[in-house]
Formats: sequence, structure tokens, C-alpha cells
Amino acid sequence: DIQMTQSPASLSASVGDRVTITCRANQTITGYLHWYQHKPGQAPKLLIYLASTLHTGVPSRFSGSGSGTDFTLTISSLQPEDFATYYCQQGFTTPAVSFGGGTRVEI
Amino acid sequence: EVQLLESGGRWVQPGGSLRLSCAASGFTFRNSAMSWVRRAPGKGLELVAFISGSSSTTYYADSVKGRFTISKDTSTNSLYLQMDILRAEDTAVYHCAKDLVGASIFDSWGRGTLVTVSS
Repeated sequence: DIQMTQSPASLSASVGDRVTITCRANQTITGYLHWYQHKPGQAPKLLIYLASTLHTGVPSRFSGSGSGTDFTLTISSLQPEDFATYYCQQGFTTPAVSFGGGTRVEI
Repeated sequence: EVQLLESGGRWVQPGGSLRLSCAASGFTFRNSAMSWVRRAPGKGLELVAFISGSSSTTYYADSVKGRFTISKDTSTNSLYLQMDILRAEDTAVYHCAKDLVGASIFDSWGRGTLVTVSS
């Protein structure tokens, strides 16, 4: 099984900050890495797929990079609506996919 | 607009059964691969079950294999998850999710339905 490790588990930031979340796989997943945003009581939202492709309607302040085992989600200027939990997910072994533990972004 | 609406979650005793439903609209359901993903209290997301667009392929997490069954009804645009022999560790919010291209890229999700397994 492919294990996904996110860091940090949580972070505190202010509006306007640049935020970086990392995700590491315990074996190569090439570029099959996707990022989601989840707010309590809401449906999770796809932000970025295949490591760096912005999903339709997602603001350009979100970006993704990486390949192989190490990946990054960056929010260039944190907005009030961005406070949420972010998950990475590997799709290399689809449909046997796995998620990272999540990163909670707090004020 | 894609909409996914889960229902059926409730409290149930260990060893009991439950069937979750997901009503889908706004896309061609019969062609779409679908999954159930859950989030247990204090934990992250976990894929529970997957079904291909044609329903010919299914996949289950080891934690639910042999106890849960995923199915699709294209006549009603509904996704189901039959959950049997429920355990306390199955307590979670269960989301249905649509697959973008059948490659486990979940481009639309429902808000989820809460399943509580407790005596």
C-alpha cells in the first residue's frame, strides 16, 4: 500500500500569507497526485489534479507542484475563505487510492 | 450543475446493517465511475468503495471487504452502499464522489451522511 504523509498537520496563518503544504509518498506515484479542500459540514472540493492542473473554477492563488514522491500545494495569498483542511490523494494505484492525513489551516 | 445528495445515515448497533443512498444529477451518471469516501471522527479521508462506469468493476478497502457492497442504479441515477456487520470503527461521515475520468480524481462530492455505530 502507498502511504501518504502530509506536513504540517496544522498551521496558523493570516490573511495575505503565502502558505505551503507538503505531501510525500512512500514510493513513486509519478504525477498522480490530487489536492482537495474540505470545510466542516461541506462537500470536499477538488483543487488540483495530476500534481499541477488547476480544476475548473479554482482561484489562481492555488498552485501545485512536484513529481515522484514529493509534492507541494501553495496558496499564494491566503484569503478568509481558504481556512479549511487540505488533503492530498494519490491516484497511482487507482482504484486503490489513499489520502494524506490532512493539513488544517487556521487563523 | 452536478449535485450529489447522500441519505440513509443514522445510529445503528454493532452487527447491524444500513444502506446509504446517493442521488446524482447534472451529469451522465450511467457513464461515470463513483466512489464512497468516509471521514471518521478525528481522522482523515478514506476510500471505502469504488464502482466503474459500467458497474463491471468494484473495489473495496480491506477494512470493509466482505461487509460492504457498492452498486449503481442507472434508471434512478442512484449510488448505493449496503453496509453489513457494522463495527464501531465504521462510525464516520460518508461522502459519495464522482470520478472525473475514471482515474480516481474526485471532481464532485456530496456533503455526506453520518453513520454512528454504537451500543
